[in-house]
Amino acid sequence: GQNIDQPTEMTATEGAIVQINCTYQTSGFNGLFWYQQHAGEAPTFLSYNVLDGLEEKGRFSSFLSRSKGYSYLLLKELQMKDSASYLCAVTTGSGNTPLVFGKGTRLSVIA
Amino acid sequence: DADVTQTPRNRITKTGKRIMLECSQTKGHDRMYWYRQDPGLGLQLIYYSFDVKDINKGEISDGYSVSRQAQAKFSLSLESAIPNQTALYFCATSDPRDRGLEETQYFGPGTRLLVL
Repeated sequence: GQNIDQPTEMTATEGAIVQINCTYQTSGFNGLFWYQQHAGEAPTFLSYNVLDGLEEKGRFSSFLSRSKGYSYLLLKELQMKDSASYLCAVTTGSGNTPLVFGKGTRLSVIA
Repeated sequence: DADVTQTPRNRITKTGKRIMLECSQTKGHDRMYWYRQDPGLGLQLIYYSFDVKDINKGEISDGYSVSRQAQAKFSLSLESAIPNQTALYFCATSDPRDRGLEETQYFGPGTRLLVL
């Protein structure tokens, strides 16, 4: 089976740092995506990790540990516009199977 | 112009009616997907198509059908709508030739469907 776990909700303060975790147990693994989704809008691509380690992209960084089945998304210098859901998704096959999405983490940034 | 478009953006219908949601893309991608999203349940895959002659069921295909009329068009039909099909529906595309990002999915703006 395919299982991807993320916290349902998180709250953080403007200007702070927040880490959103994702753990996965899937029948195969190629890589892991993070998407951002504002309420009522389409998900948009944030990052894709294939190799172990941290990848930084501006205020956002994503980390992957393949051996632990674990990833996190790190958001620095939080802004109010970062209030959104963050979806973790895993590619499990050889390129012929669709992404498997987690249920998402709803992040609220407060002043 | 948007690369992935969906029509209509909002739809209200009655139980038992047949409706069609349409998706068009100008990205030139072979792969297209239909998802529904309910509050707290994340994205659930309904159907997907890897090329014009390929149709595959996702995790929640019952009550839905699809048609891949061309590379650029993928339609989702509800043969006889029921209230628990009220949801936000997303179309997405991907390109297996997109080196290093083969499974990246690009989403349309969504269709909000209400079944009364």
